[in-house]
Amino acid sequence: AQTVTQSQPEMSVQEAETVTLSCTYDTSESNYYLFWYKQPPSRQMILVIRQEAYKQQNATENRFSVNFQKAAKSFSLKISDSQLGDTAMYFCASPIGNMLTFGGGTRLMVKP
Amino acid sequence: SQTIHQWPATLVQPVGSPLSLECTVEGTSNPNLYWYRQAAGRGLQLLFYSVGIGQISSEVPQNLSASRPQDRQFILSSKKLLLSDSGFYLCAWKRQGYFYGYTFGSGTRLTVV
Repeated sequence: AQTVTQSQPEMSVQEAETVTLSCTYDTSESNYYLFWYKQPPSRQMILVIRQEAYKQQNATENRFSVNFQKAAKSFSLKISDSQLGDTAMYFCASPIGNMLTFGGGTRLMVKP
Repeated sequence: SQTIHQWPATLVQPVGSPLSLECTVEGTSNPNLYWYRQAAGRGLQLLFYSVGIGQISSEVPQNLSASRPQDRQFILSSKKLLLSDSGFYLCAWKRQGYFYGYTFGSGTRLTVV
């Protein structure tokens, strides 16, 4: 079965510091995207960043960046200069065919 | 621009009652449509997806069903709700043939009492 695994159920970070959330995936797709979604207390799913698997360059969106290791099937999210508004659940996701499969999530708490 | 609408936002229903949650997408045609369920503090479980009118794929056997009566309308239903149907339901869409751009609705919090 194709899976997405997030090994850190909960993490905390001090405001203004950097934190890295881990994700590993298993896919047989030849070309694919990987996603990180944020789910704040409102529970709205918000796309944070996406990575195209055929691109070697890691994606970056402002304070968010990824470390994509294709051979290791690893896709971690780095949040720099953490802000209180970053407190949320974070989900890694990988499309498998027409379906988007999610990891179990990491609950991130940013402390003042 | 494309938008996705999901309603109601909150629903409290007694056990054994029927359910109908609706999701519509605007600004696009022939989207792929998805229903996910999320238990409290947990990840997202794909329930159904649809690639076209009347085409429904079920991922998890359960007390629920889905229908797509129109191109941009996706409905989640149940004839008789169970306590275990409680959860947060999310609708999502993406363009056919594209690998990116899954966009989610704002969700429905269902409590079965």
